[in-house]
Formats: sequence, structure tokens, C-alpha cells
Amino acid sequence: AQKITQTQPGMFVQEKEAVTLDCTYDTSDPSYGLFWYKQPSSGEMIFLIYQGSYDQQNATEGRYSLNFQKARKSANLVISASQLGDSAMYFCAMREGSARQLTFGSGTQLTVLP
Amino acid sequence: DAGVTQSPTHLIKTRGQQVTLRCSPKSGHDTVSWYQQALGQGPQFIFQYYEEEERQRGNFPDRFSGHQFPNYSSELNVNALLLGDSALYLCASSLYGAETYEQYFGPGTRLTVT
Repeated sequence: AQKITQTQPGMFVQEKEAVTLDCTYDTSDPSYGLFWYKQPSSGEMIFLIYQGSYDQQNATEGRYSLNFQKARKSANLVISASQLGDSAMYFCAMREGSARQLTFGSGTQLTVLP
Repeated sequence: DAGVTQSPTHLIKTRGQQVTLRCSPKSGHDTVSWYQQALGQGPQFIFQYYEEEERQRGNFPDRFSGHQFPNYSSELNVNALLLGDSALYLCASSLYGAETYEQYFGPGTRLTVT
């Protein structure tokens, strides 16, 4: 079974609007961490936001927020006020238990339209 | 504050050859992980080095090997290259004892095997 599922291969959003990128995960470990990374065409993975499984509040970092629904095992990324520079590939990733490696989803290609 | 650096940026090799990729971690980090990202897919974990030892390994054959030096920099070696080894190879650094295990990625080395 896929540990990280991103069901939207591609998304379009109008500049200045908000967009939600979906991510569901599968783990039986009560301790885990969820990450979102942005990958522009240059290739570098840029860390955006982190949510721990025991965190009570949804994580926020500037225009990025994580809609964490533990019972549904979903960790959707919300980008507010989209900018042209937000056009990139977005990956959801998970770390389980004491393991330090990340398991990534297949990504969502976001295109921001002027 | 120097980020993660990787060399070379691009590399073209012939099937059957051997290749060495290099990574210098972000200042203050002591752990290096390597990921392989095939075109159109999310990164896949190869292995992780801490205290000059391989600590965790993903589902990759023994043709993939690595090393970590006392200054925390790392090398990824791939022997007997196959066409399927063509990919973007990403290095990520982290602090072993950090609570979130957040990983910072380098720009990657794009390997083409012909």
C-alpha cells in the first residue's frame, strides 16, 4: 500500500487565490511527522512546513498552512494568496517513528495563472 | 550560512561505468541522506550516514554504496551503471538529534546513463 498518496497530478490556480493540495498517508506508528516540500524546475527541494503527529495545532508558515486531520489521515497543504513564483512541483512526505528517512508521494504540479 | 552543496551538477556516463557523487551538508548538520528521483516521480530513499556509518538503507542494490567523512561530507558511489540509474540524485542533511528530523536538500546531481 502507498504510504503517501497525492491524488492530484496537476492543479491550476489563479494568481492571488488560495489553493489546497491534497495528501493522505498510511502508518500504524503513533509517532510520525509530515512534511511538504516545493520543487521548482531547478530541482532543489525546498522545505515548506512540518506537522508532528502529536501537535495539537495545525502548522502555519507565512502563506502556507497544513490542514491536519488525524482521524482521516490527511495533511493537506493550503497556499493562500498564490503568486506566480509558487508554480512548482509540491511533494508531501512522511517520517515514521524513529526512522529518519522520508517517504515521498508522487507530487502535484501546481501552475499559477496570471 | 552555507546550504547543502552537491557536485557535479550534471553527469553523463556509459552503461557499465562507475560514478561518484559528492555532497557537503549544511553548516551544523551531522547527518547525510541520499535520495534518487526518477523523472516524474517523488524521491526514493537510498541510505543515510551518521558518524561515518550507514545507519539506514532503502530498497537499493549493493551497487549503491556510500561514505561519510569526518567533516560530515559524503559520497555516493554507483557501480555497473544501468540505464535505469538515470535520475536526479538528491543529498539531504539534517541534525541527528533534532526533534523534527527536518532535512535540507541540495540542488541535486542529474545523472544520465547512455
